[in-house]
Amino acid sequence: EVQLVESGGGLVQPGGSLRLSCAASGFTFINYAMGWVRRAPGRGLEWVSSLSHNDGSRSYADSVKGRFTISRDNSKNTLSLQMNTLGADDTAVYYCVKATTAAGRGYCFDSWGQGALVTVSS
Amino acid sequence: DIQMTQSPSSLSASVGDRVTVSCRASHDISNYLAWYQQRPGRVPYLLISAASTLRSGVPSRFSGSGSGTDFTLTISSLQPEDVATYYCQSYVSAPLTFGGGTTVEIK
Repeated sequence: EVQLVESGGGLVQPGGSLRLSCAASGFTFINYAMGWVRRAPGRGLEWVSSLSHNDGSRSYADSVKGRFTISRDNSKNTLSLQMNTLGADDTAVYYCVKATTAAGRGYCFDSWGQGALVTVSS
Repeated sequence: DIQMTQSPSSLSASVGDRVTVSCRASHDISNYLAWYQQRPGRVPYLLISAASTLRSGVPSRFSGSGSGTDFTLTISSLQPEDVATYYCQSYVSAPLTFGGGTTVEIK
């Protein structure tokens, strides 16, 4: 059974940083692209970032480009999202997601973690 | 960037009704279209990929159609457990984009 478990969420002040992690199990991690999708309170789903299976290709939403960095450690089956210069608009539940393919120009996601709440507030 | 527009934003229907949700892409995305279901308090769940390929285990009352810019999610006979918000997603290329969602309720 695929399991994606996020950690690292919490309350952070505007301008601060936070690092999310996702521990993956139940599938061959290195064979799949991964990503992050968020849902802000009262809003719909927003794709944040994706990373191909071998860390060769990364992409970001314009809203986070230059502030967020996605990475993976295939030896530890973990995905991370370093978030810097956080603002109120970044307040959301962040989902770790598994793509259906290893690499490509785009992905859809067949497994989702339970989500990590990030609250940006003073 | 591709923009995805869903309609309606919400609907209310009776058990057993046929329900359709529309999704329009701002540019041709071929069949790179996925549908997700998010039940209240639950995480999103992939229902359909490649516009019409039903995920294994998803009830056959769900179906997807379309290509290019216009897509449809159909629930042939609405059930109480189908109460959820449904999202379409373009995955032709980054940036990946979701539609705004359609909330389905039971009348």
